[in-house]
Amino acid sequence: GNSVTQMEGPVTLSEEAFLTINCTYTATGYPSLFWYVQYPGEGLQLLLKATKADDKGSNKGFEATYRKETTSFHLEKGSVQVSDSAVYFCALTDRGSTLGRLYFGRGTQLTVWP
Amino acid sequence: NAGVTQTPKFQVLKTGQSMTLQCAQDMNHEYMSWYRQDPGMGLRLIHYSVGAGITDQGEVPNGYNVSRSTTEDFPLRLLSAAPSQTSVYFCASSSFRRGGASYGYTFGSGTRLTVV
Repeated sequence: GNSVTQMEGPVTLSEEAFLTINCTYTATGYPSLFWYVQYPGEGLQLLLKATKADDKGSNKGFEATYRKETTSFHLEKGSVQVSDSAVYFCALTDRGSTLGRLYFGRGTQLTVWP
Repeated sequence: NAGVTQTPKFQVLKTGQSMTLQCAQDMNHEYMSWYRQDPGMGLRLIHYSVGAGITDQGEVPNGYNVSRSTTEDFPLRLLSAAPSQTSVYFCASSSFRRGGASYGYTFGSGTRLTVV
């Protein structure tokens, strides 16, 4: 079946530190991969996506590369800011019979201190 | 503004009451879904729809009904509210390219429901 596993938090960093949040997946088909961000009290916003192997999604200084060989989609940012404090969710949608369903990881809480 | 609109934003129900959470999107998306978010549980799929007139169950469908009579609307009905349904509910919509690659889901701002 389809599933997403992401590193558990919370993650606490100082401003300008390097961020990595690990995400691995299991899929029966050929998935599209996403990172969503949820700021306190808000809904989920699409941060970046990749739809095929070796694609790199990027947005707001965040990057993630679709690695089919390691079934991974790790989120990175070179220099985090206090405003990046949020919960980050890795997710996938697959093709075929489960098309339309979005599978989430448990989420990783990131706190950035000034 | 284009997007997904959920109403109400907050709701308190008594055990046994019924209510409908509304969800509307104006992006002509084929796919719509309802999720609930609980502390430590992440987001869990309740029901989803791949088009008008077509719905299917997700991971936690018990106690909830849905229908999709139009492309735009996907209401979620709580039949007889229970304290275990206290949660934050999110509606989302998406479209897909030919071949199945996703454009990514757009989420509403959520409904915070408390059942007492």
